[in-house]
Amino acid sequence: EVQLVESGGGLVKPGGSLRLSCAASGFTFTNAWMSWVRQAPGRGLEWIGRVLSKTHGGTTDYAAAVTGRVTISRDDSTDTVYLQLNSLRTEDTGVYYCSIYDFTSGSPQHWGQGTLVTVSS
Amino acid sequence: QSALTQPPSASGSPGQSVTISCTGTSSDVGRYNFVSWYQQHPGKAPKVLIYGVSERPSGVPGRFSGSKAANTASLTVSGLQAEDEADYYCSSYAGQKVIFGGGTKLTVL
Repeated sequence: EVQLVESGGGLVKPGGSLRLSCAASGFTFTNAWMSWVRQAPGRGLEWIGRVLSKTHGGTTDYAAAVTGRVTISRDDSTDTVYLQLNSLRTEDTGVYYCSIYDFTSGSPQHWGQGTLVTVSS
Repeated sequence: QSALTQPPSASGSPGQSVTISCTGTSSDVGRYNFVSWYQQHPGKAPKVLIYGVSERPSGVPGRFSGSKAANTASLTVSGLQAEDEADYYCSSYAGQKVIFGGGTKLTVL
């Protein structure tokens, strides 16, 4: 069974940084492209970015809204994908979801349960 | 790139059909057959209903169907059931990125 478990959320001050982790199991992580999506309270889904498998170059793509502040990385030795977001603003508050990015359909498919990040002083 | 356009709300009675639209541009929905639809119940993670415009993952009831014409994709829910009351989001590949719709709240009357 595919499982994605996010961790690292919590209360962060404006201007600070966050590093979220997503532990994957139940599938061949090394072959998977992974992505992060967030959802502000009461709002819609917002794509943050993706990291390709090492086989496909391990490159990253990011949404324009977070480019320059975001880094998505992966550790295939521990089946974990990370999201680093810097210079946090109150509008970065929300639930952050890790997902498997299906390159055959161009979209996030399996999703974790999410981790809540609150940016507040 | 702006979010895809969805109606904020839709409704129908049990047993009826309802269609939710998702309008993009020639750079996303119109260019790629990579439209997905998600269902999200309150406090839960999104669940994929449709991918590749009209494909259903295993386990998704046949009551859910997807289509696309030009720059607009559609999700049709037939034989509405009480448990279909949820938020629905579309997404489209847009060239090395993904764009989501603003979401539609479906109410089963």
